[in-house]
Amino acid sequence: LAKTTQPISMDSYEGQEVNITCSHNNIATNDYITWYQQFPSQGPRFIIQGYKTKVTNEVASLFIPADRKSSTLSLPRVSLSDTAVYYCLVGSTGGGNKLTFGTGTQLKVEL
Amino acid sequence: GAGVSQSPSNKVTEKGKDVELRCDPISGHTALYWYRQSLGQGLEFLIYFQGNSAPDKSGLPSDRFSAERTGGSVSTLTIQRTQQEDSAVYLCASSLGPAENTEAFFGQGTRLTVV
Repeated sequence: LAKTTQPISMDSYEGQEVNITCSHNNIATNDYITWYQQFPSQGPRFIIQGYKTKVTNEVASLFIPADRKSSTLSLPRVSLSDTAVYYCLVGSTGGGNKLTFGTGTQLKVEL
Repeated sequence: GAGVSQSPSNKVTEKGKDVELRCDPISGHTALYWYRQSLGQGLEFLIYFQGNSAPDKSGLPSDRFSAERTGGSVSTLTIQRTQQEDSAVYLCASSLGPAENTEAFFGQGTRLTVV
């Protein structure tokens, strides 16, 4: 499975847009990119998944450049409730199905 | 139920005792995962099931850990002769297919404390 690298932590203020970038230089052709969010004392929650270009849902956008060696999770107008750990995962059906989580990015949103 | 259910939600056990943790995945989900998360740490992969088969058991920390899944549904994670370092939150997730390409749904976890 492709290894991922994310910032350990980020700080932001309410109403701002937050962009968290994940590096995955060894991404394979069949790999998808998935982001999960985890609040304290809860299991992770799926946010968004993509393969290339841009994906948008009601929660976030995912930007993937043409070389797919990185991806950026964009959270528009964050609020205090977006304070959580965000995990970037890369893998595919043939990747051993481990669904391996990295260390994640602790996002702290303040007033 | 509508989501992944884990029981018990909390378990306190004495060192040396055996414990069983249960996971009820979402109906119809063929893939099931177990993870361990220590306080303030990331998720540590333990084992993955596709149906009742576990193609990858490499994440199990020691031979004191075992897991099974029956009927393609309920899974049980068993820890024998528990040690204090086993204290953690044990999370279960399920997905329709290989989770790399589909959404995985997590339970609330079982908080295990070994005293």
